[in-house]
Amino acid sequence: ETGVTQTPRHLVMGMTNKKSLKCEQHLGHNAMYWYKQSAKKPLELMFVYSLEERVENNSVPSRFSPECPNSSHLFLHLHTLQPEDSALYLCASSHGMNTEAFFGQGTRLTVV
Amino acid sequence: AQSVTQLDSHVSVSEGTPVLLRCNYSSSYSPSLFWYVQHPNKGLQLLLKYTSAATLVKGINGFEAEFKKSETSFHLTKPSAHMSDAAEYFCVVRTLQDSNTGKLIFGQGTTLQVKP
Repeated sequence: ETGVTQTPRHLVMGMTNKKSLKCEQHLGHNAMYWYKQSAKKPLELMFVYSLEERVENNSVPSRFSPECPNSSHLFLHLHTLQPEDSALYLCASSHGMNTEAFFGQGTRLTVV
Repeated sequence: AQSVTQLDSHVSVSEGTPVLLRCNYSSSYSPSLFWYVQHPNKGLQLLLKYTSAATLVKGINGFEAEFKKSETSFHLTKPSAHMSDAAEYFCVVRTLQDSNTGKLIFGQGTTLQVKP
């Protein structure tokens, strides 16, 4: 409904698993973002891509690995996560870096 | 350093009464300011934005916010609350300094409860 679609909506994974989150935007935007939303904490910016190049990496552990193959798609590859990584992961996109961001519905990740 | 403070973690109003969600920001540069709403199990939806044009900004669903530079505030208001307004609200700032990275700084959020 917002033009930014995230899959899966829910994911449960063990600490030794490897999984990927997918984000797709149908708005013709050229910037995409990953945010982490944990309980009782403000949203944290994780990664920013502009024109398919990473422009911001906000001190995120290497167990999170982003990939932006084109301006419409963004992935977040996950491996050997920790229980404290359980959170809602939100993808967003924008037209340029100085306009409002449009968010997907998020992926609720639980690490067991 | 730039930051956003939402002064109330929880606000409760009765349906049909006014809503006031308070936000103060700290920024060394001219900021862009936004309010987003998040309903349960949903992503964030933009309510309104201020980007150095008119200081009184009108948004969707009857919400509006006023940018007051002297008070470094950007409070969100609505004249009459509706049950469907119950959600989490986020005040967000982007500074001129961060305009090249697209970085948004989020407040802690305010939960709005609307009682019948």
